[in-house]
Amino acid sequence: KQEVTQIPAALSVPEGENLVLNCSFTDSAIYNLQWFRQDPGKGLTSLLLIQSSQREQTSGRLNASLDKSSGRSTLYIAASQPGDSATYLCAVQDSWGKLQFGAGTQVVVTP
Amino acid sequence: GAVVSQHPSRVICKSGTSVKIECRSLDFQATTMFWYRQFPKQSLMLMATSNEGSKATYEQGVEKDKFLINHASLTLSTLTVTSAHPEDSSFYICSARGTVSYEQYFGPGTRLTVT
Repeated sequence: KQEVTQIPAALSVPEGENLVLNCSFTDSAIYNLQWFRQDPGKGLTSLLLIQSSQREQTSGRLNASLDKSSGRSTLYIAASQPGDSATYLCAVQDSWGKLQFGAGTQVVVTP
Repeated sequence: GAVVSQHPSRVICKSGTSVKIECRSLDFQATTMFWYRQFPKQSLMLMATSNEGSKATYEQGVEKDKFLINHASLTLSTLTVTSAHPEDSSFYICSARGTVSYEQYFGPGTRLTVT
């Protein structure tokens, strides 16, 4: 059974610092991996989707890498801002289309 | 594009009553919709997968008679929580997948509180 783990569970950084969020998964037979952002009491916002054949994806200040063989993905957020404060979730998708989520990393960026 | 809506956004009901939550894909046809539940400080847990015109597939441990799912059209799926109890209080989120890719688009969620 696929298990997705996110470390750390919580992270607090001063504004301007780079953020590094880690995600690991136990079964490397994934279709893709997605990073989401969730604000308190809200739904999910998709940030980046990495296909299993890709090594990384970039969007603005966000960069996500994927090492399928070792079961790891890392989300980098450059030059963090207070507006980046949220919970970040990673999820792996299997060939049936099902998403398995990690527990998330709660990020606080202080001004 | 790829907008998914949920209604209602919040609902409070009394124990023993039933509550229906709607999930709509606004600008695409969703052949498959997914229902998730999220308890406070926890991640999303898949409850069931709903395919248009067929019965939903429930994950292990999810009572199909308690959580009724109907996917009658390519743009609408409903989740009915029957005989709700306080332990059913949670954040329910749906997602929809179109016909082109595997990517799921998420609704804004429904906060259910059972008193």
